[in-house]
Amino acid sequence: AQRVTQPEKLLSVFKGAPVELKCNYSYSGSPELFWYVQYSRQRLQLLLRHISRESIKGFTADLNKGETSFHLKKPFAQEEDSAMYYCALSSLQGGKLIFGQGTELSVKP
Amino acid sequence: KAGVTQTPRYLIKTRGQQVTLSCSPISGHRSVSWYQQTPGQGLQFLFEYFSETQRNKGNFPGRFSGRQFSNSRSEMNVSTLELGDSALYLCASSSTGGVEKLFFGSGTQLSVL
Repeated sequence: AQRVTQPEKLLSVFKGAPVELKCNYSYSGSPELFWYVQYSRQRLQLLLRHISRESIKGFTADLNKGETSFHLKKPFAQEEDSAMYYCALSSLQGGKLIFGQGTELSVKP
Repeated sequence: KAGVTQTPRYLIKTRGQQVTLSCSPISGHRSVSWYQQTPGQGLQFLFEYFSETQRNKGNFPGRFSGRQFSNSRSEMNVSTLELGDSALYLCASSSTGGVEKLFFGSGTQLSVL
């Protein structure tokens, strides 16, 4: 079964501390993984895709096929990073995303 | 470019009624997908349309249906509403027809009493 697991519902860190939001997946084949973010009172929006291998707003995510993980990392958290973060997997069927339950990141001053 | 527009923003219905939600994608986007978001189940895929054809459907009962018009606008309909249908319904559009980058609307918050 295709599934995305985000084990932490809430992650609270202080400003300047490193952040790692965990994401594990189950999938047969070559997965396509994404991180979406929803800031307070804003729309859900794409943060980054594993296939782009880019850094957005200081965040990076590396696909680890051996551990079936796609953790989101940032070396120094900022208060404006506080948001809901969703890990998502592109379904084998195509045209749809399978989302994890989301992790709320709270960055304290 | 205007973003994905969903109307109405809020809806209150009673059990047994039916409801229609509307989504206007970003201009030029031909793919529209719908997701249901609840605190318990999270974000779950409902269906996806491309050029007026439903290409993909999630695991929802037949009470949930949708369609897409020639201008790419989409509607979803829920008949015989149940309390468990209370949710935020999100629409997303894509220029490519794939999921490489989805643009989400603000959603329609449906409350079933």
